[in-house]
Amino acid sequence: KAGVTQTPRYLIKTRGQQVTLSCSPISGHRSVSWYQQTPGQGLQFLFEYFSETQRNKGNFPGRFSGRQFSNSRSEMNVSTLELGDSALYLCASSFAERDGYTFGSGTRLTVV
Amino acid sequence: GQQVMQIPQYQHVQEGEDFTTYCNSSTTLSNIQWYKQRPGGHPVFLIQLVKSGEVKKQKRLTFQFGEAKKNSSLHITATQTTDVGTYFCRMGNFNKFYFGSGTKLNVKP
Repeated sequence: KAGVTQTPRYLIKTRGQQVTLSCSPISGHRSVSWYQQTPGQGLQFLFEYFSETQRNKGNFPGRFSGRQFSNSRSEMNVSTLELGDSALYLCASSFAERDGYTFGSGTRLTVV
Repeated sequence: GQQVMQIPQYQHVQEGEDFTTYCNSSTTLSNIQWYKQRPGGHPVFLIQLVKSGEVKKQKRLTFQFGEAKKNSSLHITATQTTDVGTYFCRMGNFNKFYFGSGTKLNVKP
């Protein structure tokens, strides 16, 4: 079966712009979560959605937002980009927590 | 708030040596998951532990959950070059969870 698909794979944006990242979970998975990974801060949780509802949220500013659609696809938006937002953004989906989360390959965002 | 720690940050071993990484929490956990991320790749789920004192094995990997459910370890016996990567724990506290900072394992052939 197809894995978690994230688009685009790479993105370069200018400071102050906004960006939208997309994630298509594995078919049948209703939980989708987003993470930011940087060399300095490691893997940090952004938010989790389940059946279109945000179930959990990490400690990120309001510039980071997300949503989930009825087909479980999810989008993450970052507004007013800062240089420090440069990172690998990973999406993961799960059918049940005990099965663990399957990660996508990520979107590498560079803010210049 | 909850404090989590994963140690060591880095580990360099000779192929054939053993390796262990530890995750510790200041509060009792409901579960812990372990992931492996190869260089340039994304995290891949290895296992979940939920019971106090639980021990699970996957070939050369042994996972343990502490009796107090505040710590966990991942032990690799006789490392191989294919074990290279960063190992993360994901500590769950019911509806909250936290990732450890990861242990980067390098195996010299």
